[in-house]
Amino acid sequence: GNSVTQMEGPVTLSEEAFLTINCTYTATGYPSLFWYVQYPGEGLQLLLKATKADDKGSNKGFEATYRKETTSFHLEKGSVQVSDSAVYFCALWDSGGYQKVTFGTGTKLQVIP
Amino acid sequence: KAGVTQTPRYLIKTRGQQVTLSCSPISGHRSVSWYQQTPGQGLQFLFEYFSETQRNKGNFPGRFSGRQFSNSRSEMNVSTLELGDSALYLCASRDNGGELFFGEGSRLTVL
Repeated sequence: GNSVTQMEGPVTLSEEAFLTINCTYTATGYPSLFWYVQYPGEGLQLLLKATKADDKGSNKGFEATYRKETTSFHLEKGSVQVSDSAVYFCALWDSGGYQKVTFGTGTKLQVIP
Repeated sequence: KAGVTQTPRYLIKTRGQQVTLSCSPISGHRSVSWYQQTPGQGLQFLFEYFSETQRNKGNFPGRFSGRQFSNSRSEMNVSTLELGDSALYLCASRDNGGELFFGEGSRLTVL
């Protein structure tokens, strides 16, 4: 079946540091890939997405590129802020079959001033 | 467009009781999924309903059940509550492009 693997957290960075959260996936078809973010006390919300190979999703200074050759969708941001402290989830959606969404385990990011 | 609405937001139950949680999806979305989130286990998929039919199911015991109505609203039920069922229960509706829209969750505490 499909699976998503993302780096263990927590990740602690100083403000303005560069962020990378690794995400790799296994899928039989051609999934769409997503990053969701969960701020403290809230539900998850979409951060960015990419629907096909070589697509780059971007939002709020975050970027991720759909790499089919390495089955990866790493999340990056050039300069993190304290307000970016949250849990980040990588996910894939297989539009074939049962159309299930598969999540990674989540990576907690803490940004300190 | 109204977002996903979950009720109640908070509830406290005792072991052995049952609980019903409700979710109203975004208008036009036919898929509703439920997730359990705990500090130790992270985000766990419970089940997904599409047009009143359960399409996908996670690895939870039969005490966890759900249903979806013709207006796409969904309920999940947990019977014979255990302490370990204390969690944040998240509902999400999905659009045709696979994007999930989450509610704020129902936080269940079992005493």
